[in-house]
Amino acid sequence: QVHLQQWGAGLLKPSETLSLACAVYGGSFGGYCWIWIRQSPGKGLEWIGEINPDGSTNYSPSLKSRVTISVDTSKTQFSLRLSSVTAADTAVYYCARQAVAWNYIYGLDIWGQGTTVTVSS
Amino acid sequence: EIVLTQSPGTLSLSPGERATLSCRASQTVSSSYLAWYQQKPGQAPRLLIYGASNRATGIPGRFSGSGSGTDFTLTISRLEPEDFAVYYCQQYGSSPRTFGPGTKVDI
Repeated sequence: QVHLQQWGAGLLKPSETLSLACAVYGGSFGGYCWIWIRQSPGKGLEWIGEINPDGSTNYSPSLKSRVTISVDTSKTQFSLRLSSVTAADTAVYYCARQAVAWNYIYGLDIWGQGTTVTVSS
Repeated sequence: EIVLTQSPGTLSLSPGERATLSCRASQTVSSSYLAWYQQKPGQAPRLLIYGASNRATGIPGRFSGSGSGTDFTLTISRLEPEDFAVYYCQQYGSSPRTFGPGTKVDI
């Protein structure tokens, strides 16, 4: 059974760089979009960005200048980096998988367990 | 950017009742790439519906999705106790992908 395991630093100071990783277990890595989403305390879901099967990326315009999503296919994992964090970046961060097949895009069917990131001086 | 509006914000119902949740988009959702997710406290969201009307693997038949263009609906035919949660719609036909603010279904 496919599952995503994510990890990374949970406490950051303002101006530092958030770095999270998400590993894929029990399934293939290629042929999927890999997504990062966050949820601020008591708030809704915010899409951060994605990396597509061809390696291209799409990012939220509000975060684009600070975010990088990359993959390490040899380790079947992907990563999120968000630079110059502030208190507004405090949130639970989720990784997720999205299938793409025959030019059809499916929903986010597999999610990581979530990582709580707090930005505080 | 496509803005999604969900209504109502909160839906107070009892087990066995029918729930109808609405998601309206500010622009046409390309290819009906509209998904619905359920989230319970302390848990990651769970995919219920993709492509506006397709149930995800393992999702009970009491959940159904409909709609196209800018208006979409999630229906839960008969609420079970485990269905009380927050429901989000998401469009993924255009970038940036966006989520609605959520509808809380409570007792």
